[in-house]
Amino acid sequence: NAGVTQTPKFRVLKTGQSMTLLCAQDMNHEYMYWYRQDPGMGLRLIHYSVGEGTTAKGEVPDGYNVSRLKKQNFLLGLESAAPSQTSVYFCASSYSVGGQSSGNTIYFGEGSWLTVV
Amino acid sequence: KQEVTQIPAALSVPEGENLVLNCSFTDSAIYNLQWFRQDPGKGLTSLLLIQSSQREQTSGRLNASLDKSSGRSTLYIAASQPGDSATYLCAVRPQKSSGDKLTFGTGTRLAVRP
Repeated sequence: NAGVTQTPKFRVLKTGQSMTLLCAQDMNHEYMYWYRQDPGMGLRLIHYSVGEGTTAKGEVPDGYNVSRLKKQNFLLGLESAAPSQTSVYFCASSYSVGGQSSGNTIYFGEGSWLTVV
Repeated sequence: KQEVTQIPAALSVPEGENLVLNCSFTDSAIYNLQWFRQDPGKGLTSLLLIQSSQREQTSGRLNASLDKSSGRSTLYIAASQPGDSATYLCAVRPQKSSGDKLTFGTGTRLAVRP
């Protein structure tokens, strides 16, 4: 059971380049999330999805886009990378009941380290 | 807006000591609170989850308490070991809604000295 898998694990980008982070979960979870973690600021929610084909903005969505074409995958895109997007990105997923939170554990991936120079 | 604070930011203790990590939150209208462990270069691993109706949860040497009315939670680690060295994060989940949008604290970095 792989859980939540993120690719790539490490990436260096030049300012203005674009890239996509892929998250895959094999737990049949409805909810998926992208967080970023910066020193002294904790984890902040970028975008989330409550089901296939749906996405919503989190706390810090600017500069990012997401897509959830398949239930098991949640993609995070950076169209024009900026140095301020240097961070560690975490994908997570959780189970829902009838479209509402199940209140159960949220599972995290191992993280993707992104540096924008 | 929910704000979550963890004190202290860093803690160093000798092996065998009992210790308490603190988490406070500003909005008591929470669904539950979760404690996570994060090892360097790794993701988050869930340790304990306390529902808003519960007062505490225990798992092995770990005990988490919740006082929702005062906006506080503590994580008690008994007989600490060097393997407990990690960053501990607490996160609150808003009352039942579409999407589990957790709000995280900034964490307590724990070092247990042999």
